[in-house]
Amino acid sequence: NAGVTQTPKFQVLKTGQSMTLQCAQDMNHEYMSWYRQDPGMGLRLIHYSVGAGITDQGEVPNGYNVSRSTTEDFPLRLLSAAPSQTSVYFCASSYLGPQETQYFGPGTRLLVL
Amino acid sequence: GENVEQHPSTLSVQEGDSAVIKCTYSDSASNYFPWYKQELGKRPQLIIDIRSNVGEKKDQRIAVTLNKTAKHFSLHITETQPEDSAVYFCAASSGVRTGRRALTFGSGTRLQVQP
Repeated sequence: NAGVTQTPKFQVLKTGQSMTLQCAQDMNHEYMSWYRQDPGMGLRLIHYSVGAGITDQGEVPNGYNVSRSTTEDFPLRLLSAAPSQTSVYFCASSYLGPQETQYFGPGTRLLVL
Repeated sequence: GENVEQHPSTLSVQEGDSAVIKCTYSDSASNYFPWYKQELGKRPQLIIDIRSNVGEKKDQRIAVTLNKTAKHFSLHITETQPEDSAVYFCAASSGVRTGRRALTFGSGTRLQVQP
């Protein structure tokens, strides 16, 4: 099993550009989530999904969209990148929900100029 | 929503000493409290978790204690080793009893173990 994979590893964007961060898991997990990690602020939840076709907002959803068309994939879309979105983004998954071991991907480092 | 505060933000100990990291949470409905370790440049990984029906849990040199009345929980690492150096995150979740099925993390503690 590859576990949780994320692409790209690193990306530089200009303000106003859009892009999609990819996340995939091969463990048949129902629950998937996106976090951003900023120095001194821990991991903050952006969006999460409890299964295909079901998504919900987390703590910091503004400026991001998600969809979950399959169990395996949970892409995160930045609609119009801003410097405040410079961060490290982690995708995570678990079998059923937040009260189980969360398996994190390797992260995507995003720089918005 | 849930708010998790974590202290200290940095902690430096000598090899062999103990380290204690403390967290408080705000939502009395929270009933699941995991701890994650993140080594430099790596992804977070679960090291131990505790549910609200127990007060303490141990796994070799690591232990977690929970005080539901005071709404705080702590991570204890005994006989620290250089490989324990990392950032540690506490988290809390109330599961399905509230609207948001989410895990809320603390701000992290950078632990340095001096050889």
